[in-house]
Parts: sequence; structure tokens; C-alpha cells
Amino acid sequence: NAGVTQTPKFRVLKTGQSMTLLCAQDMNHEYMYWYRQDPGMGLRLIHYSVGEGTTAKGEVPDGYNVSRLKKQNFLLGLESAAPSQTSVYFCASSILAGLAKNIQYFGAGTRLSVL
Amino acid sequence: SQQGEEDPQALSIQEGENATMNCSYKTSINNLQWYRQNSGRGLVHLILIRSNEREKHSGRLRVTLDTSKKSSSLLITASRAADTASYFCATEYYTGANSKLTFGKGITLSVRP
Repeated sequence: NAGVTQTPKFRVLKTGQSMTLLCAQDMNHEYMYWYRQDPGMGLRLIHYSVGEGTTAKGEVPDGYNVSRLKKQNFLLGLESAAPSQTSVYFCASSILAGLAKNIQYFGAGTRLSVL
Repeated sequence: SQQGEEDPQALSIQEGENATMNCSYKTSINNLQWYRQNSGRGLVHLILIRSNEREKHSGRLRVTLDTSKKSSSLLITASRAADTASYFCATEYYTGANSKLTFGKGITLSVRP
């Protein structure tokens, strides 16, 4: 009963390095999301996907790219990391059935520090 | 902004007391949800209330929604130390075939044993 799994759990990068965060869900959900959580800012949506092969920008997409090649996976990439991207990143998924009850299921998070 | 704003930002109570948390928002919504986040963990959905509902219960949780005041409250009765967590309201509104969920900044609840 894994739900939403994020890897890695922790990562330290130097400015300018690149990395990819992986999110995998085993609930056959169509919708997947990437958020970042910063102190005092709540959760902010970076990118989301409404199905395999589709992605869309959220509230704070700059500096990030995403891909959804398989329904169960949603990748978040940082091409050239900056200290401002130090944050906790959460992946979520939802089935969005019926009257759009967008109940989201979250992973445990990835704690990223950019030095 | 559609973002809900929770009040208070932090709440500290004694075990056994009730905890009341409030959420206000600015524009019309379709649903409102509450989530809990334990320290170092992801968010967990607690309860959803539709815009045409006024009150909903789930175990020790009671949620109310007043669309005329654009506000919601989450009541946790007979609190336990295990209820210590951050609580977020999330407003949902439909955008065509999709739905947008926007989270507030959260309330930190501490329940003292």
C-alpha cells in the first residue's frame, strides 16, 4: 500500500547543478502535482499534469521542468539549481472523479538544499 | 487570490480541550478541504465540505462552511497529543473540466499532554 512515493528524501546541491526528483503513484490516478513548501508561504503549485504526456504550469514554474511519460510517474527537474530553490518539495496525485472532488494524496517530501 | 487564510497562525491547548481553527477566502468556491501535516511528513486529507453544505462531521472533526461570509471552521473535539500538527485549508473551484486546489499557509496546533 505505497500510495505516493518520492525519491530522494534528501539532497544537497551546489548552485548550478542539476537534478531530477521522481514521484511514483500506484493508485492509477490521472492527475499529479508538484508543490514546494517554504516557511510562512504554505504550499505553492509548481507544475501539474492531467494525464500521461500532458503537463501544465502552476503558480511558480520558473526554473523547473516536468515530464509525465508514464501515468504512474511524474518527474520534476531542476536544470541549474539556485539557492532560492532550497525548499521541501511535495508530489501529490488525485483521481478527480465525479464533481471534481480534487482530494489529493501526498508523498512524504524531498528536502532540497542548494548551497 | 483564491488562497484561503487560516486563523490563528498558531494554537496551543491542553489535551482534552477543543481546538477551533478558522479559514477565510476571497472568491466563490465549489468545495473546501482540510488537511493535516505531521512534522516532516506529507499532507493528509481530513475532510471535504461542498459549497452547498453547512456542516460535516467525521469522528472528532466538525467542519462548518459559511459561504456568505466566505469562511470555514475546523473543530477538533477532545484533543489528544497525537493531534499536534499543522492544519491547512484548501479551497477548490472548477475551471472547465479541471479543478484548482489552493492551499492556505497553515495553522500550527500544539496539544500539551
